[in-house]
Amino acid sequence: GAVVSQHPSWVICKSGTSVKIECRSLDFQATTMFWYRQFPKQSLMLMATSNEGSKATYEQGVEKDKFLINHASLTLSTLTVTSAHPEDSSFYICSATPGGGSNQPQHFGDGTRLSIL
Amino acid sequence: SQQGEEDPQALSIQEGENATMNCSYKTSINNLQWYRQNSGRGLVHLILIRSNEREKHSGRLRVTLDTSKKSSSLLITASRAADTASYFCATERAGGTSYGKLTFGQGTILTVHP
Repeated sequence: GAVVSQHPSWVICKSGTSVKIECRSLDFQATTMFWYRQFPKQSLMLMATSNEGSKATYEQGVEKDKFLINHASLTLSTLTVTSAHPEDSSFYICSATPGGGSNQPQHFGDGTRLSIL
Repeated sequence: SQQGEEDPQALSIQEGENATMNCSYKTSINNLQWYRQNSGRGLVHLILIRSNEREKHSGRLRVTLDTSKKSSSLLITASRAADTASYFCATERAGGTSYGKLTFGQGTILTVHP
């Protein structure tokens, strides 16, 4: 089956640091990947759509200069949280699906827990 | 913004009992999906039901969809302790630019006691 790998699984860093999170599709190509954010005991909120070879599309209220997305290949999207602060602490999850079309289940990475001190 | 609402928010049952979770949404959809999340982990896909389908089964799971009421339900029969997790519904909105983009409900925390 389709596998999505996310790295790292856990990051603890000081305020002001920039943190890069990788999302890889291991056995399929993904022209589109999605980045979500989840606060404790809450649901997933879509942050942005990562498009291979073009700019990401951000959801309303998400700062594109704060959350930089790069989708440089068909198997890798990265999310960089720039100058992270404690309020950026959260669980970040990516998803993708082979083919990228409609009516397909999304395959999720295991998530990255980001803790900013 | 989150368009999905789920109830109950939490459900506690004994092993062997059935668990039913409900989900409502607000817009026209291509499909509705159910996912499971174990604590601190990613999401696992359970079932996808298309907008022109009314019911779908997968093992001990049964999903219904009522597009006139914009609601869905997930039934887990003969529950096991290993079913303990959070369950989320998610909708893919109808419309050409929304392929794969999901809007999640608030989730139901299911606890199955041995």
